Amino acid sequence: KNQVEQSPQSLIILEGKNCTLQCNYTVSPFSNLRWYKQDTGRGPVSLTIMTFSENTKSNGRYTATLDADTKQSSLHITASQLSDSASYICVVSSPSAGNKLTFGGGTRVLVKP
Amino acid sequence: NAGVTQTPKFQVLKTGQSMTLQCAQDMNHEYMSWYRQDPGMGLRLIHYSVGAGITDQGEVPNGYNVSRSTTEDFPLRLLSAAPSQTSVYFCASSYREQGNTEAFFGQGTRLTVV
Repeated sequence: KNQVEQSPQSLIILEGKNCTLQCNYTVSPFSNLRWYKQDTGRGPVSLTIMTFSENTKSNGRYTATLDADTKQSSLHITASQLSDSASYICVVSSPSAGNKLTFGGGTRVLVKP
Repeated sequence: NAGVTQTPKFQVLKTGQSMTLQCAQDMNHEYMSWYRQDPGMGLRLIHYSVGAGITDQGEVPNGYNVSRSTTEDFPLRLLSAAPSQTSVYFCASSYREQGNTEAFFGQGTRLTVV
């Protein structure tokens, strides 16, 4: 049973437009939530890490939000670029699981010119 | 820095063959782990190590062995390859257990078992 669900599974956006990706999790208790970017044929690369006390964190044009009460997170991409085409993975860490990471299935984003 | 290096990048095996996927990191990280990534699914933990000489099973350990003789290296062995092991394998490392610190991933090994 996947305890981290992401939506949508995929989306296509035009270059320069904004988009928002969603992540719902049931992992509990909670240590932190991460967003990773995975380019095709490459390993995941961290974008943000948020603990339960952080509501938002930015990394350039990427802004992640976290609502620990509703167990929801979002990743907002501003002014998308062609290089933003990738899969974006939501990952939750829980101390009850030995601080191991639970990965969502990812959202595949395609930015078109 | 090279970071986390995995070899090979691609491999085709016949059912029943054995092989070792190599993983090395040059960041002096204590924690290393192996994941597999299958289409439509999140990465799943195979085995992990919290330090040299210490390994433990993850979520999907069957059919795989690991060892950690040095801090730098964490090879993954497929004992008798099966088509169900066709996947992309990622090695990761972090300073401590991954829940608390940044995890760095290798570029992956795409394995096909025929």
